[in-house]
Amino acid sequence: KAGVTQTPRYLIKTRGQQVTLSCSPISGHRSVSWYQQTPGQGLQFLFEYFSETQRNKGNFPGRFSGRQFSNSRSEMNVSTLELGDSALYLCASSPSVGPRGDQYFGPGTRLLVL
Amino acid sequence: EDKVVQSPLSLVVHEGDTVTLNCSYEVTNFRSLLWYKQEKKAPTFLFMLTSSGIEKKSGRLSSILDKKELFSILNITATQTGDSAIYLCAVEAYVRDTGNQFYFGTGTSLTVIP
Repeated sequence: KAGVTQTPRYLIKTRGQQVTLSCSPISGHRSVSWYQQTPGQGLQFLFEYFSETQRNKGNFPGRFSGRQFSNSRSEMNVSTLELGDSALYLCASSPSVGPRGDQYFGPGTRLLVL
Repeated sequence: EDKVVQSPLSLVVHEGDTVTLNCSYEVTNFRSLLWYKQEKKAPTFLFMLTSSGIEKKSGRLSSILDKKELFSILNITATQTGDSAIYLCAVEAYVRDTGNQFYFGTGTSLTVIP
């Protein structure tokens, strides 16, 4: 069974631009969660989507948004990029919402904002 | 403010040693506590704990949760070089209006020397 895939793997943008990251969950998984990982803040939860609906949301500004499609693939968008948005963005999939015992992470997208 | 604190920040041991990693937390509406291992890639799931006092065990790794004292430990016996990684503790809590939140500690970096 293929794992969680994320595209692109690396990305360089400049301040003020916007970016869209993509995540394809494991086949059969309907929940997709997004996380930001930085050296200073560690791993932080962004949001979770299940059945095309945002179910849970972390403490991030509205510049961070996401959506989920009917095939469970998910995209995350960051508008008006800031230098502090440079990070590794991880997505994770699981069969359903709830405790994260069966959450599998993708390899991440490393975003650099110049 | 909800938070998760891990200690020590880093640890260097010799193969065969036993190590204990600590995770303390302060959250409202606790749901579960999770341990992950992160090497040079995305975190991989180790344990999920929801009930106090129950030990989860997998091979040389074990973990226990104390919900009264608000902490968990991850124990690794007979360490091997392959155990070298960052160990992350995360706590899931329910927050009204935004749903389930996931708070991660900054991790403990474990290095096992041959």
